[in-house]
Amino acid sequence: EPEVTQTPSHQVTQMGQEVILRCVPISNHLYFYWYRQILGQKVEFLVSFYNNEISEKSEIFDDQFSVERPDGSNFTLKIRSTKLEDSAMYFCASCLFILAEQYFGPGTRLTVT
Amino acid sequence: AQTVTQSQPEMSVQEAETVTLSCTYDTSENNYYLFWYKQPPSRQMILVIRQEAYKQQNATENRFSVNFQKAAKSFSLKISDSQLGDTAMYFCAFMKHGSSNTGKLIFGQGTTLQVKP
Repeated sequence: EPEVTQTPSHQVTQMGQEVILRCVPISNHLYFYWYRQILGQKVEFLVSFYNNEISEKSEIFDDQFSVERPDGSNFTLKIRSTKLEDSAMYFCASCLFILAEQYFGPGTRLTVT
Repeated sequence: AQTVTQSQPEMSVQEAETVTLSCTYDTSENNYYLFWYKQPPSRQMILVIRQEAYKQQNATENRFSVNFQKAAKSFSLKISDSQLGDTAMYFCAFMKHGSSNTGKLIFGQGTTLQVKP
């Protein structure tokens, strides 16, 4: 069965550094999402992406965040200048249409020191 | 704004028994969708069951069923004949319906379920 994959599984970075989290959604899916979960807290929506543009973003998704689908297969989340509070598990998800089941990746654990 | 609340951080159940996980939500929307997702240890989150708010009949998927009380804004998950493989974190989630829907899921805090042999 097709799966959403994410790399790396764990990323450690220093405060102020740029990080790129990568996701490979299921190939025929059209809608893409990033969520994050700070340890011990709820999963939070960051951004939705469709037709090569952001369709919705949360308050968390400020100017330090960006998303891109550079080559039709990868879906990336970039944090330009990481902060300690960006430490979290980041999940990518994709679906074929909006009301379809969202398939989640295994997550990337980002640790900012 | 919509919120989802799961008031049980942890629960346990004996294998083969039945357990119910609670979820309440707050919304001013009339049409929406509700979901239960399961996240086994170190694995992907997967969809367990979904409910359309306009359907009065409670959704059922094999051993999993929901008790959807729209007026009370309650959406509990019942797991019958619990199995060791049901051990996971369970998330309740909300999605609004309509032309402005982007597929955004709003999650509760999660409930960790331990099934004991």
